[in-house]
Amino acid sequence: GQQVMQIPQYQHVQEGEDFTTYCNSSTTLSNIQWYKQRPGGHPVFLIQLVKSGEVKKQKRLTFQFGEAKKNSSLHITATQTTDVGTYFCAGPRKTSGSRLTFGEGTQLTVNP
Amino acid sequence: DAGITQSPRHKVTETGTPVTLRCHQTENHRYMYWYRQDPGHGLRLIHYSYGVKDTDKGEVSDGYSVSRSKTEDFLLTLESATSSQTSVYFCAIRATGTSFSEMAKETQYFGPGTRLLVL
Repeated sequence: GQQVMQIPQYQHVQEGEDFTTYCNSSTTLSNIQWYKQRPGGHPVFLIQLVKSGEVKKQKRLTFQFGEAKKNSSLHITATQTTDVGTYFCAGPRKTSGSRLTFGEGTQLTVNP
Repeated sequence: DAGITQSPRHKVTETGTPVTLRCHQTENHRYMYWYRQDPGHGLRLIHYSYGVKDTDKGEVSDGYSVSRSKTEDFLLTLESATSSQTSVYFCAIRATGTSFSEMAKETQYFGPGTRLLVL
């Protein structure tokens, strides 16, 4: 079945360093979504990418969707302690667009 | 947060007892989902609903049942709780996009979660 994999599983950085997490799908995706979950919180939708090669920015966060629409990345420039949390990517299932397949997430910790 | 509430927020129960978790939404969303979240497994879909009385299984549905008798409520029942069902349970709805943004409909918004401990 469809699989979505994320690396790394954990990332520890010093405040001010950059951070990148990568997402790879076993199948072509119609779109890719990114969610953030703060410790003890619930996943919160960040952004959706639809077009091949699309790049979107939200302040210090840059999201990319690969040309083949099978991979994506989230890059954070100059991390801050407020960036702490787990970042998930997710893509709609081919057989049922109403369902999402989530990656296992990348847990980011930022040392002040 | 798309008007989603979950109850209870925390529950401790004993093995073998039935448990029902409630998800309530106020914005008339058609699709609702139940996920469980465990360390190392991310978010796994238990069941979902695509309308009143219309439900389907997810990838980890064994030991769980659901019901949706009205649009706003989606109930998850653990028929006979086991320690392996200790987890954090999240309810979610699928966003309703505008007619100009079909893809936005596939994004999801989550409730605050229920922490369940089965002893």
